[in-house]
Amino acid sequence: GQQVMQIPQYQHVQEGEDFTTYCNSSTTLSNIQWYKQRPGGHPVFLIQLVKSGEVKKQKRLTFQFGEAKKNSSLHITATQTTDVGTYFCAGNNNDMRFGAGTRLTVKP
Amino acid sequence: DAGVTQSPTHLIKTRGQHVTLRCSPISGHKSVSWYQQVLGQGPQFIFQYYEKEERGRGNFPDRFSARQFPNYSSELNVNALLLGDSALYLCASSPGLLKETQYFGPGTRLLVL
Repeated sequence: GQQVMQIPQYQHVQEGEDFTTYCNSSTTLSNIQWYKQRPGGHPVFLIQLVKSGEVKKQKRLTFQFGEAKKNSSLHITATQTTDVGTYFCAGNNNDMRFGAGTRLTVKP
Repeated sequence: DAGVTQSPTHLIKTRGQHVTLRCSPISGHKSVSWYQQVLGQGPQFIFQYYEKEERGRGNFPDRFSARQFPNYSSELNVNALLLGDSALYLCASSPGLLKETQYFGPGTRLLVL
């Protein structure tokens, strides 16, 4: 069945440094969604990518969907302490499969 | 408008017991999905209901069941609880089918002793 792998598992950065998390699916996806979950909280929707090669930006966050619609990335420029949390990708192909997440910590 | 609500927020049960978790979607949303999130992992899809019909089922045993009511609220039932069922159970609502944006509720944290 469909599997979604996400790396790295953890990332610790100094405030102001950049951060990237990568997501790979074993099958072609209809779309991919990204979520952020703060410690003790619930996943909050960030964005959905649908088209092959699509790139979307939200302020310091850049999301990419691969040409084959099997991989995706989230890049954060100049991290801030408010970026702390776990970032999940979720691949959608009949059902929704979440990656294990990348836990980001930011040192002030 | 209220977001997705879930009850109870926390629950402690013992092995073999039964549990019912409840979810109210955002007003106007017709789809409810249930997820299980074990500590340190991503949410795992359990069920999706749309217009009171089951539209998707994840790889969970038959001990897990759900239903959706005419007002689009939903219940998740788990029978014969196991220690491994301890997790955060998340409900997500969306306007239509699964491929749309999902809005998660705060979850029910279940501990099975």
